[in-house]
Amino acid sequence: SAVISQKPSRDICQRGTSLTIQCQVDSQVTMMFWYRQQPGQSLTLIATANQGSEATYESGFVIDKFPISRPNLTFSTLTVSNMSPEDSSIYLCSVEGPSDRLNTEAFFGQGTRLTVV
Amino acid sequence: GENVEQHPSTLSVQEGDSAVIKCTYSDSASNYFPWYKQELGKRPQLIIDIRSNVGEKKDQRIAVTLNKTAKHFSLHITETQPEDSAVYFCAASRYNDMRFGAGTRLTVKP
Repeated sequence: SAVISQKPSRDICQRGTSLTIQCQVDSQVTMMFWYRQQPGQSLTLIATANQGSEATYESGFVIDKFPISRPNLTFSTLTVSNMSPEDSSIYLCSVEGPSDRLNTEAFFGQGTRLTVV
Repeated sequence: GENVEQHPSTLSVQEGDSAVIKCTYSDSASNYFPWYKQELGKRPQLIIDIRSNVGEKKDQRIAVTLNKTAKHFSLHITETQPEDSAVYFCAASRYNDMRFGAGTRLTVKP
């Protein structure tokens, strides 16, 4: 299993500002994923972050709005830029099992509850 | 890309009854199908999973079935208990590309 530490756990931000969310994993993983979860909704994949290359963004998400860093195999950040109230949501990072195995369960951070006012 | 549909969106059962949640997927190359339970304010956690070379898997009161031909899989919870109340997500994955269903809010009434 993987233990993921995500911070901050929650924040209230002014519109127009940016927030960077950090995700630390206790083991080396090839791929890290960032999801958004609106209240009562499912998990929507924002992007996949691979170490040493640019993140791959899903339709509807762009790098200028959600820049991602992946400096090593245990850490990633997601920035929510130029925030508006529509960005209020829970953001979760996720990793999948050992790097030497494909298609394993996903482990999630505890989430960041973002409120934009 | 993969599209996962999940039904029902809400499910209410009496304690002790069974609950069934169904999902369909679109990508025949998907080969890993996990189920997650998310309690209020907590992160999703895996409760059971099945791979495409298996038709059924059981773990105590929880079972999952997979029909590859029809591209659907189901979660079965027997003898439900109030602590089973949560949101359940199915997912389908290929090559570490995992997509989630919309979720089912299960309520078990004592």
